[in-house]
Amino acid sequence: DQQVKQNSPSLSVQEGRISILNCDYTNSMFDYFLWYKKYPAEGPTFLISISSIKDKNEDGRFTVFLNKSAKHLSLHIVPSQPGDSAVYFCAAVRPYTGNQFYFGTGTSLTVIP
Amino acid sequence: DSGVTQTPKHLITATGQRVTLRCSPRSGDLSVYWYQQSLDQGLQFLIHYYNGEERAKGNILERFSAQQFPDLHSELNLSSLELGDSALYFCASSVVEGEQYFGPGTRLTVT
Repeated sequence: DQQVKQNSPSLSVQEGRISILNCDYTNSMFDYFLWYKKYPAEGPTFLISISSIKDKNEDGRFTVFLNKSAKHLSLHIVPSQPGDSAVYFCAAVRPYTGNQFYFGTGTSLTVIP
Repeated sequence: DSGVTQTPKHLITATGQRVTLRCSPRSGDLSVYWYQQSLDQGLQFLIHYYNGEERAKGNILERFSAQQFPDLHSELNLSSLELGDSALYFCASSVVEGEQYFGPGTRLTVT
C-alpha cells in the first residue's frame, strides 16, 4: 500500500528552466512533508520540508507547495542547474508515529546543460 | 557528510546465509531508522529504534531483526537470505522529530 506516490519516474529539463516534481499522498493524517535528494552511491540528503499548516515554503532556488485538499505537493527548482541532476524523493509523516517516514518511489531529474 | 556511518559499504553473500549491517548515528541522535531500497522502489521503512527501544515496525520480514546498543549504534541482522533481499539498506538518525539524516547505505547482493 503506497501511501505516497511519485508518478513520474523521470524528468528532463533544460538548464536555467524550472523543474517541477510532483508527489501525491493518500493519507489525510500526514502533517509534515519533506523532499530528499539522492545522488548515486550516496544516501538521501534533506532538501526542504513543509508543515501542513503552510501551503508554501521557500529556500533559495527550492520551493515546496502543498495542496492539502488535493493531497498533492510539488517541488519547484528555479533555475535548474546541472548539479541538480539526482533522484528526488518526497516523504510524509503522520503525528504520533515516532517520526516514521513514508517515502515515494522517487523521480530522477536530469538537467541538460 | 551526514555524520551517519554505515558498514560495510558492499556485501556479497549466498542464499541462506546471515549478515549483519551496522549503523552509527550522528552524535546526539537517539533515533535510528532502517530502510530498504530495492530496484526501482522507494525507501521502505523497516524499523525504528529510540534510545535502545524498538518504537515502530514497518515492512520488516521475520527473518530480519535489529537492535540498538547502549552506545546508540544499531545493527540490522538479515538471516536465511533470499535473492529478493538484494537491495540497498540505509539507516538514518534523527534527534526526535524532523528531518532524518541518512548514511551512505550498504549494498547487499545475494547470489
